[in-house]
Amino acid sequence: AQTVTQSQPEMSVQEAETVTLSCTYDTSESNYYLFWYKQPPSRQMILVIRQEAYKQQNATENRFSVNFQKAAKSFSLKISDSQLGDTAMYFCAFMKRKVTSGSRLTFGEGTQLTVNP
Amino acid sequence: DSGVTQTPKHLITATGQRVTLRCSPRSGDLSVYWYQQSLDQGLQFLIQYYNGEERAKGNILERFSAQQFPDLHSELNLSSLELGDSALYFCASSDEDFSYDRPSTDTQYFGPGTRLTVL
Repeated sequence: AQTVTQSQPEMSVQEAETVTLSCTYDTSESNYYLFWYKQPPSRQMILVIRQEAYKQQNATENRFSVNFQKAAKSFSLKISDSQLGDTAMYFCAFMKRKVTSGSRLTFGEGTQLTVNP
Repeated sequence: DSGVTQTPKHLITATGQRVTLRCSPRSGDLSVYWYQQSLDQGLQFLIQYYNGEERAKGNILERFSAQQFPDLHSELNLSSLELGDSALYFCASSDEDFSYDRPSTDTQYFGPGTRLTVL
């Protein structure tokens, strides 16, 4: 079974600064996806970024980027130029790729990020 | 807006009752997933349907059941409700394609959720 660990329950950052959220995972699979989702106070689950494990290049989406270290099973999220709207709970998630038995996301416990003005 | 819709947004009911949560996936998505988010259990996968058939099952209680209809919308039925069933229930959909006839991102997009309160 896969496990996802987010060791930082809470973090805060000043507006316009950079913050990094940590995530580690444990799996014996070689073909999988990793995701970061954010959940703002509205409770909506919003996709932030997606990484395919077979791709060595780190994914980037505007101000959001990841540092994917496959051997270390680490998948951190860097948010640059933090904005007040980035305040949310951030979840790291793992999913096996292309399995005939179906797919599921395994989530970490979440990191509550607060961006201060 | 993810394109996934869920109804109702809020549901308040009593213990022992039965409720049905409804989900419509994004246009073109064949896979629907149900997740439960509670304070003590976090986000947990319940079940996946693909093109009308059950594909994967997670920690879903026997009191809970789901189905996916020919128009691809899905319903999650919760019966004999207990206080501990109070949670936020999410539906997600993806373009995952088990026929492998088309490329897919396999990315799950979530609906706004249904907040269930059992009194």
